[in-house]
Amino acid sequence: GQSLEQPSEVTAVEGAIVQINCTYQTSGFYGLSWYQQHDGGAPTFLSYNALDGLEETGRFSSFLSRSDSYGYLLLQELQMKDSASYFCAVRDPTNFNKFYFGSGTKLNVKP
Amino acid sequence: DGGITQSPKYLFRKEGQNVTLSCEQNLNHDAMYWYRQDPGQGLRLIYYSQIVNDFQKGDIAEGYSVSREKKESFPLTVTSAQKNPTAFYLCASSGRGQGYNEQFFGPGTRLTVL
Repeated sequence: GQSLEQPSEVTAVEGAIVQINCTYQTSGFYGLSWYQQHDGGAPTFLSYNALDGLEETGRFSSFLSRSDSYGYLLLQELQMKDSASYFCAVRDPTNFNKFYFGSGTKLNVKP
Repeated sequence: DGGITQSPKYLFRKEGQNVTLSCEQNLNHDAMYWYRQDPGQGLRLIYYSQIVNDFQKGDIAEGYSVSREKKESFPLTVTSAQKNPTAFYLCASSGRGQGYNEQFFGPGTRLTVL
């Protein structure tokens, strides 16, 4: 089976940098995705990493190390609107159209 | 504008009743999904469909049923056999295949059993 582990909650102040980690155990691997979900809202896609290294998209970056089965989402210049839950997700290695999600990390941004 | 719609936003059901949640997409996506989310939890897959007239059980399919008669529509029925149906239900769609890495989610339906 597949399993993903994330910290349940992280707190940071406005303007700071925060890193949200995700470790995964899968029988095969086809990339790590990140989603953001505000309270009561729908998850929205942030990034996808298939290869090792850092992918940058504005204030958000995502990193992957396949050898360590580990990835993280890096949020810079934190804003109050970044307060949300963040989920990592992987594909089922036997079925590309099936995804598994971590339990999510709730980010609290304080003034 | 392309997207996914779910209705209703809030739904109340008496114990013992079946209820159907609607999900429609106009993104021309082949794959569609239903997830359940409980407070403070991640998304758990109920059912998914890769193509019209085909669907597979996810990790928590017991007490649920689906149909996929049209590409645009993937309704979910929560039956009376589902022991704890109160939850937030999310529908999603994506292109089919390895090159499609993003899932698009609807706004969700919050189901409460009274």
